[in-house]
Amino acid sequence: DAGVTQSPTHLIKTRGQQVTLRCSPKSGHDTVSWYQQALGQGPQFIFQYYEEEERQRGNFPDRFSGHQFPNYSSELNVNALLLGDSALYLCASSLGFSSSTDTQYFGPGTRLTVL
Amino acid sequence: GESVGLHLPTLSVQEGDNSIINCAYSNSASDYFIWYKQESGKGPQFIIDIRSNMDKRQGQRVTVLLNKTVKHLSLQIAATQPGDSAVYFCAEIGNNDMRFGAGTRLTVKP
Repeated sequence: DAGVTQSPTHLIKTRGQQVTLRCSPKSGHDTVSWYQQALGQGPQFIFQYYEEEERQRGNFPDRFSGHQFPNYSSELNVNALLLGDSALYLCASSLGFSSSTDTQYFGPGTRLTVL
Repeated sequence: GESVGLHLPTLSVQEGDNSIINCAYSNSASDYFIWYKQESGKGPQFIIDIRSNMDKRQGQRVTVLLNKTVKHLSLQIAATQPGDSAVYFCAEIGNNDMRFGAGTRLTVKP
Protein backbone atom coordinates (compact mmCIF):
# COMPACT_ATOMS: atom_id res chain seq x y z
CA ASP A 1 0.00 0.00 0.00
CA ALA A 2 1.72 3.16 -1.24
CA GLY A 3 1.76 6.12 1.06
CA VAL A 4 1.67 9.74 -0.04
CA THR A 5 4.15 10.44 -2.80
CA GLN A 6 5.43 13.79 -4.03
CA SER A 7 7.51 14.94 -6.97
CA PRO A 8 10.00 16.29 -7.55
CA THR A 9 12.11 15.77 -4.44
CA HIS A 10 14.12 18.93 -4.94
CA LEU A 11 13.68 21.93 -7.19
CA ILE A 12 15.65 25.10 -7.83
CA LYS A 13 14.01 28.10 -9.47
CA THR A 14 14.79 31.78 -9.88
CA ARG A 15 12.70 34.73 -8.80
CA GLY A 16 9.73 35.43 -11.03
CA GLN A 17 9.49 31.90 -12.36
CA GLN A 18 6.56 29.55 -11.93
CA VAL A 19 6.62 26.09 -10.37
CA THR A 20 4.33 23.07 -10.26
CA LEU A 21 4.56 20.45 -7.53
CA ARG A 22 2.75 17.12 -7.63
CA CYS A 23 1.20 14.83 -5.05
CA SER A 24 -0.41 11.42 -5.12
CA PRO A 25 -2.49 10.62 -2.03
CA LYS A 26 -2.37 7.47 0.03
CA SER A 27 -4.42 4.68 -1.48
CA GLY A 28 -8.08 5.09 -0.53
CA HIS A 29 -7.76 8.77 0.38
CA ASP A 30 -9.72 11.41 -1.49
CA THR A 31 -8.66 14.64 0.19
CA VAL A 32 -5.37 16.44 -0.33
CA SER A 33 -3.95 19.31 1.69
CA TRP A 34 -0.85 21.35 0.97
CA TYR A 35 1.47 22.91 3.52
CA GLN A 36 4.49 25.18 3.38
CA GLN A 37 7.22 24.51 5.93
CA ALA A 38 9.95 27.11 6.25
CA LEU A 39 13.24 26.03 7.80
CA GLY A 40 12.88 25.64 11.54
CA GLN A 41 9.13 26.23 11.47
CA GLY A 42 6.03 24.13 11.67
CA PRO A 43 3.97 23.49 8.53
CA GLN A 44 1.61 26.29 7.45
CA PHE A 45 -1.66 25.32 5.81
CA ILE A 46 -2.02 26.50 2.20
CA PHE A 47 -5.23 24.87 1.00
CA GLN A 48 -7.21 21.66 0.84
CA TYR A 49 -8.83 19.92 -2.13
CA TYR A 50 -11.78 17.57 -2.07
CA GLU A 51 -13.91 16.44 -5.01
CA GLU A 52 -11.66 18.47 -7.32
CA GLU A 53 -12.51 21.74 -5.60
CA GLU A 54 -10.63 23.95 -3.19
CA ARG A 55 -12.53 23.59 0.07
CA GLN A 56 -10.40 25.51 2.53
CA ARG A 57 -7.61 28.02 2.21
CA GLY A 58 -5.00 29.38 4.55
CA ASN A 59 -3.46 32.83 4.54
CA PHE A 60 -1.58 32.57 1.26
CA PRO A 61 -1.73 34.94 -1.74
CA ASP A 62 -3.38 34.12 -5.04
CA ARG A 63 0.03 33.30 -6.47
CA PHE A 64 -0.54 29.94 -4.83
CA SER A 65 -3.09 27.86 -6.70
CA GLY A 66 -3.89 24.22 -7.01
CA HIS A 67 -5.78 21.53 -8.73
CA GLN A 68 -7.14 18.10 -7.94
CA PHE A 69 -7.65 15.47 -10.60
CA PRO A 70 -10.35 12.77 -10.81
CA ASN A 71 -7.85 10.20 -9.50
CA TYR A 72 -7.45 12.42 -6.38
CA SER A 73 -3.88 13.41 -7.18
CA SER A 74 -3.12 17.09 -6.86
CA GLU A 75 -0.85 19.87 -8.06
CA LEU A 76 0.35 23.00 -6.32
CA ASN A 77 1.28 25.91 -8.56
CA VAL A 78 3.19 28.97 -7.44
CA ASN A 79 3.55 31.94 -9.79
CA ALA A 80 5.96 34.86 -9.68
CA LEU A 81 8.26 33.12 -7.22
CA LEU A 82 9.82 35.14 -4.42
CA LEU A 83 12.90 34.34 -2.39
CA GLY A 84 10.59 33.84 0.59
CA ASP A 85 8.83 30.99 -1.17
CA SER A 86 11.87 28.81 -0.52
CA ALA A 87 10.59 26.05 1.75
CA LEU A 88 9.63 22.41 2.05
CA TYR A 89 6.21 21.90 0.50
CA LEU A 90 4.28 19.08 2.10
CA CYS A 91 1.28 17.25 0.80
CA ALA A 92 -1.02 15.42 3.17
CA SER A 93 -3.91 13.14 2.34
CA SER A 94 -6.93 12.04 4.30
CA LEU A 95 -10.31 10.44 3.78
CA GLY A 96 -13.28 12.72 3.64
CA PHE A 97 -13.58 16.44 3.88
CA SER A 98 -13.03 17.21 7.51
CA SER A 99 -9.66 17.53 9.14
CA SER A 100 -11.32 17.15 12.51
CA THR A 101 -12.39 13.59 11.90
CA ASP A 102 -9.55 11.93 10.09
CA THR A 103 -5.82 11.89 10.43
CA GLN A 104 -3.73 13.39 7.67
CA TYR A 105 -0.77 11.40 6.35
CA PHE A 106 2.13 13.39 4.99
CA GLY A 107 4.39 12.84 2.03
CA PRO A 108 8.15 13.40 2.15
CA GLY A 109 7.83 16.88 0.70
CA THR A 110 9.38 18.85 -2.15
CA ARG A 111 12.28 21.11 -1.23
CA LEU A 112 11.94 24.32 -3.29
CA THR A 113 14.82 26.75 -3.43
CA VAL A 114 14.29 30.14 -5.06
CA LEU A 115 17.45 31.99 -6.06
CA GLY B 1 -4.29 35.81 17.10
CA GLU B 2 -4.75 32.36 18.50
CA SER B 3 -1.86 30.01 17.91
CA VAL B 4 -0.16 26.83 18.88
CA GLY B 5 3.17 27.07 20.61
CA LEU B 6 5.76 24.98 22.36
CA HIS B 7 7.47 25.70 25.67
CA LEU B 8 10.88 24.21 24.79
CA PRO B 9 12.47 24.49 21.39
CA THR B 10 15.10 21.83 22.21
CA LEU B 11 15.24 18.85 24.53
CA SER B 12 18.21 16.59 25.18
CA VAL B 13 17.75 13.33 27.09
CA GLN B 14 19.81 10.29 27.92
CA GLU B 15 18.97 7.04 26.16
CA GLY B 16 16.57 5.04 28.32
CA ASP B 17 15.17 8.07 30.12
CA ASN B 18 11.62 9.33 29.68
CA SER B 19 10.98 12.42 27.56
CA ILE B 20 8.25 14.99 27.97
CA ILE B 21 7.49 17.47 25.20
CA ASN B 22 5.02 20.24 25.94
CA CYS B 23 2.69 22.31 23.82
CA ALA B 24 0.39 25.22 24.64
CA TYR B 25 -2.63 26.09 22.59
CA SER B 26 -5.01 29.00 22.82
CA ASN B 27 -7.91 28.18 20.53
CA SER B 28 -10.66 26.96 22.83
CA ALA B 29 -12.57 25.72 19.78
CA SER B 30 -9.91 23.11 19.01
CA ASP B 31 -11.33 19.66 19.57
CA TYR B 32 -8.71 17.37 18.13
CA PHE B 33 -4.96 17.28 18.70
CA ILE B 34 -2.19 15.34 17.00
CA TRP B 35 1.48 14.80 17.70
CA TYR B 36 3.76 14.38 14.71
CA LYS B 37 7.40 13.32 14.49
CA GLN B 38 9.53 14.70 11.71
CA GLU B 39 12.92 13.26 10.94
CA SER B 40 15.43 15.10 8.82
CA GLY B 41 14.45 15.07 5.15
CA LYS B 42 11.07 13.48 5.77
CA GLY B 43 7.51 14.62 6.14
CA PRO B 44 5.74 14.63 9.53
CA GLN B 45 4.77 11.18 10.74
CA PHE B 46 1.65 10.63 12.84
CA ILE B 47 2.44 9.48 16.38
CA ILE B 48 -0.71 9.75 18.44
CA ASP B 49 -3.87 11.79 18.64
CA ILE B 50 -6.40 12.78 21.26
CA ARG B 51 -9.85 14.32 21.14
CA SER B 52 -11.04 17.00 23.49
CA ASN B 53 -13.40 14.65 25.32
CA MET B 54 -10.37 12.76 26.66
CA ASP B 55 -7.52 13.79 28.94
CA LYS B 56 -5.14 10.91 28.35
CA ARG B 57 -4.36 8.45 25.61
CA GLN B 58 -1.65 5.83 25.46
CA GLY B 59 0.12 4.23 22.57
CA GLN B 60 3.21 2.12 22.28
CA ARG B 61 5.80 3.88 24.49
CA VAL B 62 3.96 7.18 24.02
CA THR B 63 1.29 8.92 26.07
CA VAL B 64 -0.50 12.14 25.27
CA LEU B 65 -2.01 14.23 28.03
CA LEU B 66 -4.53 16.99 27.45
CA ASN B 67 -5.34 19.62 30.06
CA LYS B 68 -8.16 21.73 28.67
CA THR B 69 -8.29 23.94 31.75
CA VAL B 70 -4.88 25.43 31.01
CA LYS B 71 -4.91 24.59 27.28
CA HIS B 72 -1.85 22.38 27.53
CA LEU B 73 -0.84 19.27 25.64
CA SER B 74 2.10 17.01 26.36
CA LEU B 75 3.77 14.02 24.73
CA GLN B 76 5.53 11.54 26.96
CA ILE B 77 7.97 9.05 25.45
CA ALA B 78 9.01 6.17 27.66
CA ALA B 79 12.51 4.66 27.52
CA THR B 80 13.66 7.10 24.86
CA GLN B 81 15.75 5.55 22.11
CA PRO B 82 18.22 7.07 19.62
CA GLY B 83 15.62 6.51 16.90
CA ASP B 84 13.33 8.92 18.72
CA SER B 85 15.64 11.82 17.86
CA ALA B 86 13.59 14.15 15.66
CA VAL B 87 11.51 17.32 15.71
CA TYR B 88 8.12 16.86 17.33
CA PHE B 89 5.14 19.00 16.40
CA CYS B 90 1.78 19.34 18.05
CA ALA B 91 -1.14 20.24 15.83
CA GLU B 92 -4.55 21.48 16.88
CA ILE B 93 -7.67 21.12 14.81
CA GLY B 94 -10.84 23.10 15.30
CA ASN B 95 -13.48 24.44 12.92
CA ASN B 96 -11.75 22.46 10.15
CA ASP B 97 -8.64 24.55 10.73
CA MET B 98 -5.37 22.72 11.42
CA ARG B 99 -2.45 24.59 12.95
CA PHE B 100 1.03 23.39 13.85
CA GLY B 101 3.38 24.61 16.51
CA ALA B 102 6.97 25.51 15.69
CA GLY B 103 8.30 22.18 16.94
CA THR B 104 10.66 20.82 19.60
CA ARG B 105 13.89 19.11 18.65
CA LEU B 106 14.51 16.00 20.72
CA THR B 107 18.08 14.74 20.88
CA VAL B 108 18.82 11.39 22.52
CA LYS B 109 22.31 10.95 23.92
CA PRO B 110 23.73 7.39 23.96
